Amino acid sequence: DAGVIQSPRHEVTEMGQEVTLRCKPISGHNSLFWYRQTMMRGLELLIYFNNNVPIDDSGMPEDRFSAKMPNASFSTLKIQPSEPRDSAVYFCASSLGEDQPQHFGDGTRLSIL
Amino acid sequence: SQQGEEDPQALSIQEGENATMNCSYKTSINNLQWYRQNSGRGLVHLILIRSNEREKHSGRLRVTLDTSKKSSSLLITASRAADTASYFCAYSGSARQLTFGSGTQLTVLP
Repeated sequence: DAGVIQSPRHEVTEMGQEVTLRCKPISGHNSLFWYRQTMMRGLELLIYFNNNVPIDDSGMPEDRFSAKMPNASFSTLKIQPSEPRDSAVYFCASSLGEDQPQHFGDGTRLSIL
Repeated sequence: SQQGEEDPQALSIQEGENATMNCSYKTSINNLQWYRQNSGRGLVHLILIRSNEREKHSGRLRVTLDTSKKSSSLLITASRAADTASYFCAYSGSARQLTFGSGTQLTVLP
């Protein structure tokens, strides 16, 4: 059974470029979460969806960040324009409900030069 | 978001010893969960304990929950080098989505 699939695994790009991170949740899961992890700030929830609808985006740092979930099997997190302080590991997770065990992808390690 | 607090931040033990990690939180909860993260990987769910439960076991893992003290502990018995990882607690409270703690880095020396 495939787990949560994220792509790309690594992304290195220059400041100012648009970055798109992708996530395929586990089939049948109706909650999807985007997190950012850094040494300084730990694991931060950016946004989560229930049944493809954004529920809480209060963790999205600023307007440069946007997330979409056009259908139950795909979500994107976009940063435009990117800045060096956006460098982090970004995780996608899915679950059967908001407070149920979450299944994490292996993350996208993003470096903005 | 308000994170749970975990202690210790780092723990180093010898193989075969027990490891205990603690988690404190500040709100009433529906459930509390523990996760493991190996270096370079995503978090993996270990165990969930509901607010009306006091103790739960899974293999070498034992989790306790004290809602009066708003705290939980994770005990790993007979530790192995492969248990080396970061361990996070996460709880669901009034905000139904999980709030993650800051983690404990466990190192098990062979």
